[in-house]
Amino acid sequence: EPEVTQTPSHQVTQMGQEVILRCVPISNHLYFYWYRQILGQKVEFLVSFYNNEISEKSEIFDDQFSVERPDGSNFTLKIRSTKLEDSAMYFCASSVRGRDQPQHFGDGTRLSIL
Amino acid sequence: GDSVTQMEGPVTLSEEAFLTINCTYTATGYPSLFWYVQYPGEGLQLLLKATKADDKGSNKGFEATYRKETTSFHLEKGSVQVSDSAVYFCALSSNFGNEKLTFGTGTRLTIIP
Repeated sequence: EPEVTQTPSHQVTQMGQEVILRCVPISNHLYFYWYRQILGQKVEFLVSFYNNEISEKSEIFDDQFSVERPDGSNFTLKIRSTKLEDSAMYFCASSVRGRDQPQHFGDGTRLSIL
Repeated sequence: GDSVTQMEGPVTLSEEAFLTINCTYTATGYPSLFWYVQYPGEGLQLLLKATKADDKGSNKGFEATYRKETTSFHLEKGSVQVSDSAVYFCALSSNFGNEKLTFGTGTRLTIIP
């Protein structure tokens, strides 16, 4: 069964550094998402992406965050200048269409900011 | 805005016990409802879904029925197994043009042999 793959599985970064989290969505999917889960808290929506542009973003997704689909297969989340509070598990998801279709999640990247 | 309220955990049951995890939601219109499961060290996996009122989603012995009148989507299983130990998340997707999932806090379930 096709899977969403995320790399790396764990990223440790100094505060203030840039970090790029990578995702390869399922190949025929058209909608892409990033979520995060701070330890012990609920999964929170960050951003959705369709047709090469952001379709919705949350309050969390400020100017320090950006997303890109550089080559038709990868989908990346960049944090420009990381803060301690960015430490979380970041999940990528993709779906065939929007609302009625389930989103398929990757195993996540654990981001630790020191 | 949309929200999902889930039964607080953790929940510990003996093998073969009956399971109910409560989930209620607040949303405008008619959302789609989902249960996702997260096994230790893994990502979120779709367990089941329902897209309209009175629909019943089912998978691996788990069931949940979309109850519009009580705005609920409770997860049930008649006889749990040790392998069902995981964190369970209730989620909704609004029907007003956006596709994002709004999650509950998750319920950690532990099954004792």
